[in-house]
Amino acid sequence: GAGVSQSPSNKVTEKGKDVELRCDPISGHTALYWYRQRLGQGLEFLIYFQGNSAPDKSGLPSDRFSAERTGESVSTLTIQRTQQEDSAVYLCASSPPGLAGGAGTQYFGPGTRLLVL
Amino acid sequence: KNEVEQSPQNLTAQEGEFITINCSYSVGISALHWLQQHPGGGIVSLFMLSSGKKKHGRLIATINIQEKHSSLHITASHPRDSAVYICAANNNDMRFGAGTRLTVKP
Repeated sequence: GAGVSQSPSNKVTEKGKDVELRCDPISGHTALYWYRQRLGQGLEFLIYFQGNSAPDKSGLPSDRFSAERTGESVSTLTIQRTQQEDSAVYLCASSPPGLAGGAGTQYFGPGTRLLVL
Repeated sequence: KNEVEQSPQNLTAQEGEFITINCSYSVGISALHWLQQHPGGGIVSLFMLSSGKKKHGRLIATINIQEKHSSLHITASHPRDSAVYICAANNNDMRFGAGTRLTVKP
């Protein structure tokens, strides 16, 4: 069975350009997370989607960042007017329904490595 | 003070040693995750805990909800266990510890 996939695997862009990153979760997984990991640093939470509920956007670092998810399928993370500090690996994870309606174990994608020149 | 604190930051062990990594958190959680990040960057979820103890092979994870503390234990450590181990507090969002870099020498 397919795991979580992300595309592109690598993206190089110029400062000021917009980029769109894609995540295809495992089929049937109701929850989807986006994370960022800058070089040599820890993981940062960006956004969480759970079913049809309003997403938790509390981790988005600025209004240049936005994310959408269509139902319980693909999600896109968009970064507008990219800055050099946006350079990082962007990771997506999905999880099946857990107990008591929450999310279960997370399955991580391979990440998209973004470099802003 | 970080909301999720891990210790130690770095750990070097000899093959076969018993290893413990600790995680303390100050936020409310619905679950506590232990993740493993391989040298190539890939991340694998090891455990998701909301109470008690879980075991998978040589790995054991425990959590004490009252004390807001979790531990990850590795028995009979092996060089292939070398990785960064990350604790994360989950309550819709995820708050990550800084990670513990484990090196197991043959």
